[in-house]
Amino acid sequence: DVKVTQSSRYLVKRTGEKVFLECVQDMDHENMFWYRQDPGLGLRLIYFSYDVKMKEKGDIPEGYSVSREKKERFSLILESASTNQTSMYLCASSFSITNTGELFFGEGSRLTVL
Amino acid sequence: AQSVAQPEDQVNVAEGNPLTVKCTYSVSGNPYLFWYVQYPNRGLQFLLKYITGDNLVKGSYGFEAEFNKSQTSFHLKKPSALVSDSALYFCAVRAYTGRRALTFGSGTRLQVQP
Repeated sequence: DVKVTQSSRYLVKRTGEKVFLECVQDMDHENMFWYRQDPGLGLRLIYFSYDVKMKEKGDIPEGYSVSREKKERFSLILESASTNQTSMYLCASSFSITNTGELFFGEGSRLTVL
Repeated sequence: AQSVAQPEDQVNVAEGNPLTVKCTYSVSGNPYLFWYVQYPNRGLQFLLKYITGDNLVKGSYGFEAEFNKSQTSFHLKKPSALVSDSALYFCAVRAYTGRRALTFGSGTRLQVQP
């Protein structure tokens, strides 16, 4: 089975702190994604990556950056956390572009910014 | 741009009755369509997908969905609901070409009463 692991299930941070959310997948997937989930808004795409060191902005990239130094690892970085970034963050991965695009999700990281 | 609408925030159904969770989409060209389910405090789990071919797609846990191109809909159905089906359901779409990330709807909470 595909396994997508997010390093932290729950985090509490203070406004202005730098926050790292880590995600690792074990199936040699080319594509990796970061979404945030908020009630009533569903999942919104922050960033995605289709190869090592490659990244593309999603629909809500402001206030976030990403890093993909190795194929299996995709990190989401909040440079200076703000209270409106309190949310559930979901990492996902998928096979190559020629695949249909089915995503495999991690369990999520719930971030609270005080 | 691609988008998904899930018009119902919540659907209530009695155990044993049929259920329908609605989804309509907008995408340029032909779509790939997906349904995911989320149980409390968990990541999303894949239920089923439409890629091409038969408009009626069968998936996990007895769920099925019908692709209707003229109505741009992809409603999720189950002939007989179980209490254990109570969860949050997300519809998602991507186009055959272009951005390889899925766009999700806002989610519908399904509540099955005993």
